[in-house]
Amino acid sequence: AQSVTQLGSHVSVSEGALVLLRCNYSSSVPPYLFWYVQYPNQGLQLLLKYTSAATLVKGINGFEAEFKKSETSFHLTKPSAHMSDAAEYFCAVSEKNNDMRFGAGTRLTVKP
Amino acid sequence: EPEVTQTPSHQVTQMGQEVILRCVPISNHLYFYWYRQILGQKVEFLVSFYNNEISEKSEIFDDQFSVERPDGSNFTLKIRSTKLEDSAMYFCASRVGLAGGSSYEQYFGPGTRLTVT
Repeated sequence: AQSVTQLGSHVSVSEGALVLLRCNYSSSVPPYLFWYVQYPNQGLQLLLKYTSAATLVKGINGFEAEFKKSETSFHLTKPSAHMSDAAEYFCAVSEKNNDMRFGAGTRLTVKP
Repeated sequence: EPEVTQTPSHQVTQMGQEVILRCVPISNHLYFYWYRQILGQKVEFLVSFYNNEISEKSEIFDDQFSVERPDGSNFTLKIRSTKLEDSAMYFCASRVGLAGGSSYEQYFGPGTRLTVT
């Protein structure tokens, strides 16, 4: 069964600094991978997705992620953090026609 | 843009009571899901539903839970006898389900916050 592991439950960066949120997956078949963002007291918003096309995926709000099969990773990055990026970020994996499994989440804090 | 809607946004109930959480998936979607998120924890899969039957369920989804698609638009989650530990945010999601990459994207509703007292 598929699963994801997010390394680091809490990441803190300064405004303007690089954001790197780590995600490793486990899947018995080529996976579909997603990053969602959750702002306080809100639902889940899709940031970006990997569905076996380009390995470097660009999403909303300047985020991108690279699928690395050899490392079973799908880390989320953003070159320059903004205060509005402070939120909880969830990595998720879905095998074909299956449900989605989420990681434990990483809370991103952005310091002024 | 079409979106998944959920009602109510917040439900407060007493332990032992039945609750029904309602969702209206996107109209041309074929697969429907319920997830829950206990405060401060990760999002957990509960159940998936396709072609008017449950296609997969997690160990959380025990006999106290049931799902139904009573008409062509609504998708409901019923908890028969709520427990304190059922307090959580419950998210509904749907996806198209056709062949192709974008079909595996699930669209989430805003959630229903269930508080069991």
